[in-house]
Amino acid sequence: GEDVEQSLFLSVREGDSSVINCTYTDSSSTYLYWYKQEPGAGLQLLTYIFSNMDMKQDQRLTVLLNKKDKHLSLRIADTQTGDSAIYFCAEKSGGGADGLTFGKGTHLIIQP
Amino acid sequence: DAGVTQSPTHLIKTRGQQVTLRCSPKSGHDTVSWYQQALGQGPQFIFQYYEEEERQRGNFPDRFSGHQFPNYSSELNVNALLLGDSALYLCASCDRGYGYTFGSGTRLTVV
Repeated sequence: GEDVEQSLFLSVREGDSSVINCTYTDSSSTYLYWYKQEPGAGLQLLTYIFSNMDMKQDQRLTVLLNKKDKHLSLRIADTQTGDSAIYFCAEKSGGGADGLTFGKGTHLIIQP
Repeated sequence: DAGVTQSPTHLIKTRGQQVTLRCSPKSGHDTVSWYQQALGQGPQFIFQYYEEEERQRGNFPDRFSGHQFPNYSSELNVNALLLGDSALYLCASCDRGYGYTFGSGTRLTVV
């Protein structure tokens, strides 16, 4: 079955860039997503990218997709304390499946 | 514009009981999905409803069932609750199949 892997923790200094990485196994993935979850809250959609794109930029967020290596990354420029959260990578399969497959999430820790 | 709304926000049930969770999709969305998020894990897909029918199901037992109403709102029912059903249950809605908006979830505790 499909699998999505992420490292569990990332620690960065305030003002630096954060890069959160994700790998997936489903070669038929159509869309890939980044969600943010703050403590006790639901999931906030940050951005998504279609599988025929290799880059998408939205203000401080840059998504890079390497489809050959099945690698997705999220770069957050000028990381702020409000960016502290868990970031989930998710993929939607193109094989007729409608549900999203999520990774376990990366805890982004901001050092002052 | 209200996003996805879920009720209740918290719930405590006893093993063996049954529970019903509710979801109203974002305005303009006609498809509703349900996910289970155990502590420290990513959400896991339970099932998806479109046109009042279950369209796809994840790896969850038949104790998990659902319903979608003509106004696109949805319910998730779980029978014969187990301790392991304790989790955050998230509802997501979408249109055109790719822009998924999630609600804040219902925290279910089974004791």
